[in-house]
Amino acid sequence: GEDVEQSLFLSVREGDSSVINCTYTDSSSTYLYWYKQEPGAGLQLLTYIFSNMDMKQDQRLTVLLNKKDKHLSLRIADTQTGDSAIYFCAERSNFNKFYFGSGTKLNVKP
Amino acid sequence: DTGVSQDPRHKITKRGQNVTFRCDPISEHNRLYWYRQTLGQGPEFLTYFQNEAQLEKSRLLSDRFSAERPKGSFSTLEIQRTEQGDSAMYLCASSLDYQETQYFGPGTRLLVL
Repeated sequence: GEDVEQSLFLSVREGDSSVINCTYTDSSSTYLYWYKQEPGAGLQLLTYIFSNMDMKQDQRLTVLLNKKDKHLSLRIADTQTGDSAIYFCAERSNFNKFYFGSGTKLNVKP
Repeated sequence: DTGVSQDPRHKITKRGQNVTFRCDPISEHNRLYWYRQTLGQGPEFLTYFQNEAQLEKSRLLSDRFSAERPKGSFSTLEIQRTEQGDSAMYLCASSLDYQETQYFGPGTRLLVL
């Protein structure tokens, strides 16, 4: 399968910005996604970006895509304690299959 | 629109027993996906349906696993002769044809003793 990699942990203080990074290998990916998962819950779609875009902003969330380096990032501005969760990067291939990273656990300290 | 629902939310079973999980997708979503998620990992693709047709199955889906979507609406995932290694969260997701996004259910957490 395809390889999607993320760092395991990120710790920030409340009010700071968080940046979660992801790398992927499939150059034919059509869409890339960020999902949030809270303990014991399913995955909540946060945002996504089409592969021909460089950036997408949605309120406190900014997604940056460097297609040449196959690098995706999610920036959360003014991080709140309610943002503490596991964040998954995912890519969708041309064959409509989705591949997920292992998740980055974001810890927001008050 | 009530979202994707899954039943049961939790299941504890003994090794060797059969279990069946149900997923109800968002109404009118014609694609339905099953994933398995183990602790500390992201979801791993198992299989997906377009309407009632099962279009793809992962190599993770051994012959003990079977999934159905008989009328193109809800789906069931059955695991026969469960093993301890089957313990995981089983997630279901649905989407419209060629829609960019999948919407996930809350998952069924399986524990095999």
